[in-house]
Amino acid sequence: QKEVEQNSGPLSVPEGAIASLNCTYSDRVSQSFFWYRQYSGKSPELIMSIYSNGDKEDGRFTAQLNKASQYVSLLIRDSQPSDSATYLCAVNDGTASKLTFGTGTRLQVTL
Amino acid sequence: EAQVTQNPRYLITVTGKKLTVTCSQNMNHEYMSWYRQDPGLGLRQIYYSMNVEATDKGDVPEGYKVSRKEKRNFPLILESPSPNQTSLYFCASSLWLAGTTDTQYFGPGTRLTVL
Repeated sequence: QKEVEQNSGPLSVPEGAIASLNCTYSDRVSQSFFWYRQYSGKSPELIMSIYSNGDKEDGRFTAQLNKASQYVSLLIRDSQPSDSATYLCAVNDGTASKLTFGTGTRLQVTL
Repeated sequence: EAQVTQNPRYLITVTGKKLTVTCSQNMNHEYMSWYRQDPGLGLRQIYYSMNVEATDKGDVPEGYKVSRKEKRNFPLILESPSPNQTSLYFCASSLWLAGTTDTQYFGPGTRLTVL
């Protein structure tokens, strides 16, 4: 059973701080990695995708991938109250016809 | 606007009464998928389709049926709903690249309650 693990949280950070969200996966051949944000009762929306080792930056968001250690992380700089949501990590191993999702980390940005 | 639509958005029904949740996408995506989301269990795949007339089971297919007669539509059918199918359902679509799904775009969700 391929697994994607996330700390459920809540992760609480003050406004303006850096939020660090982590995800580990079990399948070594995984090739594509995604971070989705989901507000309560709403659908997941894509924040970042990453395919190669290293960092990928998009605005306040940075995804980091380390395939040797089988983890992927998401950094949110200058956290805002509007960033308060559940963040889902998703992994595709390239051979399966699906994304495997973690159960998500709930982020709370406090004033 | 590129989007995935689902109907209905909310549905309350009774045990055993057949229902269909529709899903449609306008992005010409080959791949479509249905998920259910339950507290503490995350998103679990029910069925997926790689193209017209090509469907396969996901992780939790029991009690569900799907069909893919047109590229844009992928309805989810519950022939005899039971209370354990009360959940939040999402349809998603993506390109089908080199035999695999990539970034998936989600519909707004259907909240189903089976009494």
